[in-house]
Amino acid sequence: QKEVEQNSGPLSVPEGAIASLNCTYSDRGSQSFFWYRQYSGKSPELIMSIYSNGDKEDGRFTAQLNKASQYVSLLIRDSQPSDSATYLCAVNGWGFQKLVFGTGTRLLVSP
Amino acid sequence: GAVVSQHPSWVICKSGTSVKIECRSLDFQATTMFWYRQFPKQSLMLMATSNEGSKATYEQGVEKDKFLINHASLTLSTLTVTSAHPEDSSFYICSARVSMNTEAFFGQGTRLTVV
Repeated sequence: QKEVEQNSGPLSVPEGAIASLNCTYSDRGSQSFFWYRQYSGKSPELIMSIYSNGDKEDGRFTAQLNKASQYVSLLIRDSQPSDSATYLCAVNGWGFQKLVFGTGTRLLVSP
Repeated sequence: GAVVSQHPSWVICKSGTSVKIECRSLDFQATTMFWYRQFPKQSLMLMATSNEGSKATYEQGVEKDKFLINHASLTLSTLTVTSAHPEDSSFYICSARVSMNTEAFFGQGTRLTVV
């Protein structure tokens, strides 16, 4: 069983729509959760971090965490073609140094 | 966000030579740095985790004698690919974090081509 699972996509949404990206994780003791965006040929960049259950909003982005269901999601409102990228979910288990990454979901936003 | 600088951005080397890649945290002290490799259209693959002043911890299947990692200070880690071969051609990326459970920030990556 993979430790962090994401649907590889592509997830296609029209410009202006809400894109919903999902991630599940297996380590129930995980404490910190991150979303990264990676454009083709570039390195990942941090979008959001979330540590407690509930929603966390930053501009057009909202991260949602449900530890009971071992589920974390990222919502992108008013999606733009420039949001087209691969979105990586990363999870840090308590007491572990390394982040465990999902394989990423490719998002395509069409004009 | 915090800035991690990786150098060089790209390098071409001859088969059998060694290449050193630097990773610097510019505005924070990184107790932990990570080195990844990514082949085209594939996922990030963690190679090793390094802590300042101690030996790196390599992931299973990564040759520690081929990929030498040094984390001499809280702001600098280096990866040396020794006796490089064409199959080592890849995108190498470092990341750094202040402490456990905090965000990790990525460098720009180094595209290595071995000819």
